Amino acid sequence: AQSVTQPDIHITVSEGASLELRCNYSYGATPYLFWYVQSPGQGLQLLLKYFSGDTLVQGIKGFEAEFKRSQSSFNLRKPSVHWRDAAEYFCAVGAGNRDDKIIFGKGTRLHILP
Amino acid sequence: NAGVTQTPKFRVLKTGQSMTLLCAQDMNHEYMYWYRQDPGMGLRLIHYSVGEGTTAKGEVPDGYNVSRLKKQNFLLGLESAAPSQTSVYFCASSYIGRQPQHFGDGTRLSIL
Repeated sequence: AQSVTQPDIHITVSEGASLELRCNYSYGATPYLFWYVQSPGQGLQLLLKYFSGDTLVQGIKGFEAEFKRSQSSFNLRKPSVHWRDAAEYFCAVGAGNRDDKIIFGKGTRLHILP
Repeated sequence: NAGVTQTPKFRVLKTGQSMTLLCAQDMNHEYMYWYRQDPGMGLRLIHYSVGEGTTAKGEVPDGYNVSRLKKQNFLLGLESAAPSQTSVYFCASSYIGRQPQHFGDGTRLSIL
């Protein structure tokens, strides 16, 4: 069975600084990988997903993520954060079958300093 | 363009009471899901549906039942509420696979 770990519970960065949120997964084959964002009081929004192909994936809101098989990682990056990016971010992993369920990480809460 | 709508948004129940949470989507999606979100736990899948008239168990199905009589609606029922079911419940839908794409804003449920 697949599993996913987000090592950082909280991350604080200054507005305008770059961001990297870590995600590590465990799965024997090539997984499907996702990043979601949750703003306070709202549901989750899909930022980006990786199924196959180019390991650098572009998403919405200026985010990107890179799949690194050798490190079992799918880290989320943004070159310059805005105060609106303050939210909770969830990484999720699927078993490589589009009909299988996905497992969510426990989330990383991003705080932005003005 | 409503997307995924959950009702109610808040509810307080006493232990042993029953209730139904309603989820409606207007995107003609085949797949619908119910998740619960607890502090420090991420989202856990309760039940899901791959089409009208179908339901299946997720990671944490005990104490919950679901029905998908119409494609656009997915109901989550608690037959006898317990304090351990205090949580925020999210409904989601998608047009492919079992990877949720569109989420509702959640239902905050407290069981006393």
